[in-house]
Amino acid sequence: DQQVKQNSPSLSVQEGRISILNCDYTNSMFDYFLWYKKYPAEGPTFLISISSIKDKNEDGRFTVFLNKSAKHLSLHIVPSQPGDSAVYFCAASEGTGNQFYFGTGTSLTVIP
Amino acid sequence: DAMVIQNPRYQVTQFGKPVTLSCSQTLNHNVMYWYQQKSSQAPKLLFHYYDKDFNNEADTPDNFQSRRPNTSFCFLDIRSPGLGDAAMYLCATSRGPNEKLFFGSGTQLSVL
Repeated sequence: DQQVKQNSPSLSVQEGRISILNCDYTNSMFDYFLWYKKYPAEGPTFLISISSIKDKNEDGRFTVFLNKSAKHLSLHIVPSQPGDSAVYFCAASEGTGNQFYFGTGTSLTVIP
Repeated sequence: DAMVIQNPRYQVTQFGKPVTLSCSQTLNHNVMYWYQQKSSQAPKLLFHYYDKDFNNEADTPDNFQSRRPNTSFCFLDIRSPGLGDAAMYLCATSRGPNEKLFFGSGTQLSVL
């Protein structure tokens, strides 16, 4: 059963606008969350993380929000740029484990 | 640049013919992982090494095995590939358990 879900397979946004990518999880023991970005023919690259002691983490144009009660996190990209067009994966893990559980990804297209 | 390198990028094998995928890292990370990713699905952890300790996921088929002869290298052996094993295989490393993953570019395996 999929413990991390990204229910939107794709998203299109105009350049300069905000992109919001969503991720839901089912395991309340997850306490560390990552976002990865993947270009075609390349491996995923780390983008930003958040631990469960926070509800927000910001790095430049990228902000991740965590709502523990709703078991939901989101990645905001502001302003969106054409180079942000990629597949974005969220991943989650429990503090004591080694495994990161991944979502199925959301393909973001930023339209110039 | 320190990185995770996977060879080859594309691998074609015949049904039932053993195949080995390789991964090397210059990050000197303690943990190495193998993920399988099929089209439009989430990356799925097959197994990982924490130093020399091998950890197999419960649902990883016996057909899949791994070797880590030293810190830098890790191999994925598929003893008798079936058509269902065609997928992208991603190698990743992390400094320690539950730390962010660094991925290679992946090997796309085709089974004829």
